[in-house]
Order: sequence, then C-alpha cells, then structure tokens
Amino acid sequence: GENVEQHPSTLSVQEGDSAVIKCTYSDSASNYFPWYKQELGKGPQLIIDIRSNVGEKKDQRIAVTLNKTAKHFSLHITETQPEDSAVYFCAASPTGTASKLTFGTGTRLQVTL
Amino acid sequence: NAGVMQNPRHLVRRRGQEARLRCSPMKGHSHVYWYRQLPEEGLKFMVYLQKENIIDESGMPKERFSAEFPKEGPSILRIQQVVRGDSAAYFCASSPYVQGAKNIQYFGAGTRLSVL
Repeated sequence: GENVEQHPSTLSVQEGDSAVIKCTYSDSASNYFPWYKQELGKGPQLIIDIRSNVGEKKDQRIAVTLNKTAKHFSLHITETQPEDSAVYFCAASPTGTASKLTFGTGTRLQVTL
Repeated sequence: NAGVMQNPRHLVRRRGQEARLRCSPMKGHSHVYWYRQLPEEGLKFMVYLQKENIIDESGMPKERFSAEFPKEGPSILRIQQVVRGDSAAYFCASSPYVQGAKNIQYFGAGTRLSVL
C-alpha cells in the first residue's frame, strides 16, 4: 500500500519568513496530493491540492510543487503570519476519483513574532 | 451549506461499553470516510462508505469496530466493548462523486473518544 513520509516534524520560523514542508510517497499510482491544516481541537482543513499532471500550483501565499519522477511534493508558505501556526499534513490518493487518503505524520509549524 | 457534522464532539466511555459516533456528510455528498487520529500522530484511514455500501474497510480493526451509512440518516461508526487503546480522535470526511474529478475530502471537527 501507499506510504507517505513527511519532514520536518516541527518547524519554527520568524514572522515574514518562508516555510517549506516536504513529503515523499511510494505508490506510483498516486495522482492526487492535498495539503491540510489542522488547528488545535479542530478537524483538518484543505488548503491546497495538486494533481499529477501539474508540476506547481499557487494560491496567494501558498504553493505546492510536485516531482512525480522523484515522488516528492512540497508545501511552500511565504510571508508567514502567526495565524499560519498549526499542524500541516500532506496526503496522497491512488486514484482520481473517490478513494482513501494516506496521510503523512504531520509538521507542527510555529510562527514566532 | 453546512459542513460535515459530527456528534458528539466529546465522548467518555468506561472500558467494556459501546461507543457510537455519528457523521452527517455535506449536502449532496454521497461518500463518507472515517479516519482515526492518535495523539501527536497523523490520520489513519479506517473505512470508506457510500449509501448502504461499504466500499473499503481495509483500515478497520477486525473485531469490535463496525460502520454503516444507511439510506436515510447519518453514518455511524460503532465501537463495541471499548478499551483504553481506542481513545483517539475520530474524524469523518465526505466527498461528492463526480466522474473523473479529484477526490476532495472535507472533514468534520471530529469526535474525541476517551475510554476510562
């Protein structure tokens, strides 16, 4: 089955700096890669996603890149703000339609003033 | 348009009791997924259901756990004879089915189960 690894497990950046979180996956059949943000006591919230026919996608301060050959994908947050502090999860799905997500172990991002 | 609704938000059970967790998907969504999250860990897939059908239960423990998504009403995750190791946050997600579309899953706020 699919295995998703995520690094780092914790990340501390100063406000205004950039943050990068990296994930690797094992199943070459995976073609959908969402990123979720989870705040304390809440459910995961989808912040951006990418499909395998796209190399990069951007939404304001958030971008995701995908290297299908190397089975890597990354989340980039620019101009970080204190409200970006949360746990971020990457995930992979093996098919384009309804299917289970395999999650990484999470990255706790702390944005300090 | 209400999001995915889970109840209760918190559930306390003693060892040996039954726990019932409910999930109402977003309006128009026909797919429901259950995930379990242990403290400081990621989400682990448990089961995927459509109305009246279990599609994938590869993540469900073989004993004591069951799930259903009836024609009418919410999806139910049922844990019989709970043990302390069942203490976790249980999240439900729903997605619409659109042929060829990407699998966007929307999550509820979760049910935090504590077994005493």
